[in-house]
Amino acid sequence: DAGITQSPRHKVTETGTPVTLRCHQTENHRYMYWYRQDPGHGLRLIHYSYGVKDTDKGEVSDGYSVSRSKTEDFLLTLESATSSQTSVYFCAIKGTGQETQYFGPGTRLLVL
Amino acid sequence: GNSVTQMEGPVTLSEEAFLTINCTYTATGYPSLFWYVQYPGEGLQLLLKATKADDKGSNKGFEATYRKETTSFHLEKGSVQVSDSAVYFCALNAQGAQKLVFGQGTRLTINP
Repeated sequence: DAGITQSPRHKVTETGTPVTLRCHQTENHRYMYWYRQDPGHGLRLIHYSYGVKDTDKGEVSDGYSVSRSKTEDFLLTLESATSSQTSVYFCAIKGTGQETQYFGPGTRLLVL
Repeated sequence: GNSVTQMEGPVTLSEEAFLTINCTYTATGYPSLFWYVQYPGEGLQLLLKATKADDKGSNKGFEATYRKETTSFHLEKGSVQVSDSAVYFCALNAQGAQKLVFGQGTRLTINP
């Protein structure tokens, strides 16, 4: 299995509070991704990174920001959480020249 | 734009039944195609993939053939088991892109 961990695995928070999710990899892969999974929508890309300090938006980036200061860590921040951001969040990684993405175990976030 | 459409779920079958989950795509050029599987409470795992027309991906008794003429990548298995119960996602990686586009997922339940 690809060495990907996500933390926390579960979180309950209140509307308006900031939340940061962490993705950590031990594979030294260049590409890292954040997705959200919602019923009826499959997985939708929030942001991705193609290197340290290099990030780009996905299809559902509003309300989210990311940072990548080290190869192994990719942080997703909800600056002010809303109930519509209740979801399961998955991180994925991919090596240069590869097409297959490898997924972490997910973080279940509930915004009350 | 690029998109993936999967058959509506949920799908419920009896053990040893034949399985087909339909997947069609829209993309320019020659995308690579993937099937991922998500078991309860887990992240996504690559099940199989195909990178060019007429390629057949296979794994764990599952098969899918890349059909450019019908823009399809249907997942099949000849005899399903209870342990195949999961959510299945079809996805594409557009030619030259670094991002996956997912279908909405199909939940499969196999009854003994």
